Amino acid sequence: DAGVTQSPTHLIKTRGQQVTLRCSPISGHKSVSWYQQVLGQGPQFIFQYYEKEERGRGNFPDRFSARQFPNYSSELNVNALLLGDSALYLCASSSTGPGFHEQYFGPGTRLTVT
Amino acid sequence: AQSVTQLDSQVPVFEEAPVELRCNYSSSVSVYLFWYVQYPNQGLQLLLKYLSGSTLVKGINGFEAEFNKSQTSFHLRKPSVHISDTAEYFCAVTPGGTSYGKLTFGQGTILTVHP
Repeated sequence: DAGVTQSPTHLIKTRGQQVTLRCSPISGHKSVSWYQQVLGQGPQFIFQYYEKEERGRGNFPDRFSARQFPNYSSELNVNALLLGDSALYLCASSSTGPGFHEQYFGPGTRLTVT
Repeated sequence: AQSVTQLDSQVPVFEEAPVELRCNYSSSVSVYLFWYVQYPNQGLQLLLKYLSGSTLVKGINGFEAEFNKSQTSFHLRKPSVHISDTAEYFCAVTPGGTSYGKLTFGQGTILTVHP
């Protein structure tokens, strides 16, 4: 079975532009989370979506938004890009229901803002 | 809120030597604990997890970790490392009882195994 997939792999944008990153979860997984990993740091939680609704949000400005589609794929949008938005953006999916469910991570999208 | 501190940013070690990567956490509630590994240009892979029960947990690739509630630690160990273990390792927590909640990560420890 395919794992979590993300597109594009790499992306270069200019300050002030907008970017959309895409994530397809593992088949059957209904929860998707987004993390930002700045070089030299651990991942930081941005959003979690379940059944197309936002279930959690980290300490990120309103320039960051996301949505989940009926097929459970997700998009992360970042407006008015800043140099500090340069990072690896990771998507993770998990199944839901009673009990603990592991989060499975995709390979990430490397965003460079110049 | 939770926080995670990885006490070593870099750990160099020779092949076949033992290694310990240290992790302390802070939380006002019970937590689940995890260790993830990240190879260059890849996402995160779960090495092991502590949810409840035995405080010594075994994971993939010969790694194990011990949960110490009184010291709020979750150190990762391997008795004999290989060159292929060279990677960055992240300790993470999530509130206990959470089915699929947000993960709070430490800063990471780069393990470099020398021949």
